[in-house]
Amino acid sequence: GENVEQHPSTLSVQEGDSAVIKCTYSDSASNYFPWYKQELGKRPQLIIDIRSNVGEKKDQRIAVTLNKTAKHFSLHITETQPEDSAVYFCAASPGANNLFFGTGTRLTVIP
Amino acid sequence: DAGVTQSPTHLIKTRGQQVTLRCSPKSGHDTVSWYQQALGQGPQFIFQYYEEEERQRGNFPDRFSGHQFPNYSSELNVNALLLGDSALYLCASSSSGVHGYTFGSGTRLTVV
Repeated sequence: GENVEQHPSTLSVQEGDSAVIKCTYSDSASNYFPWYKQELGKRPQLIIDIRSNVGEKKDQRIAVTLNKTAKHFSLHITETQPEDSAVYFCAASPGANNLFFGTGTRLTVIP
Repeated sequence: DAGVTQSPTHLIKTRGQQVTLRCSPKSGHDTVSWYQQALGQGPQFIFQYYEEEERQRGNFPDRFSGHQFPNYSSELNVNALLLGDSALYLCASSSSGVHGYTFGSGTRLTVV
């Protein structure tokens, strides 16, 4: 099955700086790559996603890039704010709406 | 409100017991997937139900079973509970053939 690796496991940045989280996947059939934000004790919330026919997608301060050849994708958060502090998960879907998650990155934004 | 409802929110069980968790999908969704999220880990796929049948299954033992009803709601059953089954169990609904999950708030299961 699909194997998703995510790095780093923890990330601390100063408020206003950028944060980058990277993921790799193993199954070349994967064609959908969402990113979820999970605050303590809450459900994962979709923050952005990208499909395999697109190389980059941006939504305000959040952007995701995808390199299909290298099988990796990244989340970029610019101008970080304290409310961005949470655990972020990447995921890959090889089809049939099945998602395989990375192990998560705990992002801390220091005011 | 995400629209996916899970019950109960918290549950404490003893080793060897059986547990049933419930999920009502978001209106318009016909597919339900279950995930196990251990503390500090990413969600792990258990199985997915569509048209009242198990469509896909992750690497979980047969102690984990499920069911989907005609109204698309679903149950997750775990038999012979182990301490290692303690986790947050997440239900996610979607529309078949359309990418995009909506997660419920989860059921926190503690096995003692």
